[in-house]
Amino acid sequence: KQEVTQIPAALSVPEGENLVLNCSFTDSAIYNLQWFRQDPGKGLTSLLLIQSSQREQTSGRLNASLDKSSGRSTLYIAASQPGDSATYLCAVHSNSGYALNFGKGTSLLVTP
Amino acid sequence: GAGVSQTPSNKVTEKGKYVELRCDPISGHTALYWYRQSLGQGPEFLIYFQGTGAADDSGLPNDRFFAVRPEGSVSTLKIQRTERGDSAVYLCASRRDRDTEAFFGQGTRLTVV
Repeated sequence: KQEVTQIPAALSVPEGENLVLNCSFTDSAIYNLQWFRQDPGKGLTSLLLIQSSQREQTSGRLNASLDKSSGRSTLYIAASQPGDSATYLCAVHSNSGYALNFGKGTSLLVTP
Repeated sequence: GAGVSQTPSNKVTEKGKYVELRCDPISGHTALYWYRQSLGQGPEFLIYFQGTGAADDSGLPNDRFFAVRPEGSVSTLKIQRTERGDSAVYLCASRRDRDTEAFFGQGTRLTVV
């Protein structure tokens, strides 16, 4: 079974800092990987989808990288803003099976 | 519709009662997922539909849980004889196919008292 781990569990940074969120997975045979953000009491908002054949994807201030062989993905957030405060979740879609396997998330607080 | 819609947004029920949770996926999305999320945890997979059929129901915790998608669009998650431990946020997601993004609804918060 695919196990997904996200480190750190929580992070607090001052506004303007660049930051990196980490996601690791145990089975490198993945189909794709998706990053989401979740605001308190809300559903999940898709940020980036990165296919197994890709090394990175970018959307605005966000950049996701993927290293399948080492079982890792990172989400880089440039010039953080208070509005970036949320929980960030990584979900892995393995080659075997249909489920998206989630980590527990990283809770990010960006202080003004 | 524009996004995945889930109803109701909140449901409070008494222990032992039956509940139904509804999910309207994005039009044209053949893949549909149900997840359950407890406080401070990531979403936990329950069931996956491809069209009308449940391709993977390995995440359903026991036989009190059942889901249907009779016409390949709207899906209903059914929970019989609810228990307090069933209290959680139930999330639905849809995607066009494996190569595209999954989109989630806002969830149904189920509270069993």
